Amino acid sequence: LAKTTQPISMDSYEGQEVNITCSHNNIATNDYITWYQQFPSQGPRFIIQGYKTKVTNEVASLFIPADRKSSTLSLPRVSLSDTAVYYCLVGNNAGNMLTFGGGTRLMVKP
Amino acid sequence: GAGVSQTPSNKVTEKGKYVELRCDPISGHTALYWYRQSLGQGPEFLIYFQGTGAADDSGLPNDRFFAVRPEGSVSTLKIQRTERGDSAVYLCASSLMLTGTGEQFFGPGTRLTVL
Repeated sequence: LAKTTQPISMDSYEGQEVNITCSHNNIATNDYITWYQQFPSQGPRFIIQGYKTKVTNEVASLFIPADRKSSTLSLPRVSLSDTAVYYCLVGNNAGNMLTFGGGTRLMVKP
Repeated sequence: GAGVSQTPSNKVTEKGKYVELRCDPISGHTALYWYRQSLGQGPEFLIYFQGTGAADDSGLPNDRFFAVRPEGSVSTLKIQRTERGDSAVYLCASSLMLTGTGEQFFGPGTRLTVL
């Protein structure tokens, strides 16, 4: 299983852009990269997924370089409600189930 | 529509007792997953079902843990002879089909405390 490495924690301020980078050096050719968000006492919630280059949705962007050995989740203009744990995962549909690492604790300050 | 629901939300039991945790997936979702999350850790995969069958139970820690999904919808995670180390939040998720790539929808979890 491809393993991921993320910073344990990050601090930011309201209105700033936050970039969280994840390393996945042994990602397989058919693996996708998925990010989840988790608030206290709730289950994780899907944010975004990508395979290569850039993906953007209404809440975030995901940047994946050509070698795919890392990825960066970008949250534009964060608010206090974005304070949560963010998990980067790699997986595919060949029975390779999602493996959550320790995640990144993002603290957004006023 | 309703999301994934889990019952009970909290369960306190004594060491050695048997517990059952229930998961109601989103209607129509064929794949169902169980995870366990300890304080300060990410969710740890336990088992997943495609329909009624357990497609992969390699994450179950030992034979005290067992899960069923007899009709391909509701699932029950069963823990025998509970130990204090079993204390954690047990999360259930479902998805339209078996996927390691697409979106899994998680329930709020069941917090299990073994005294």
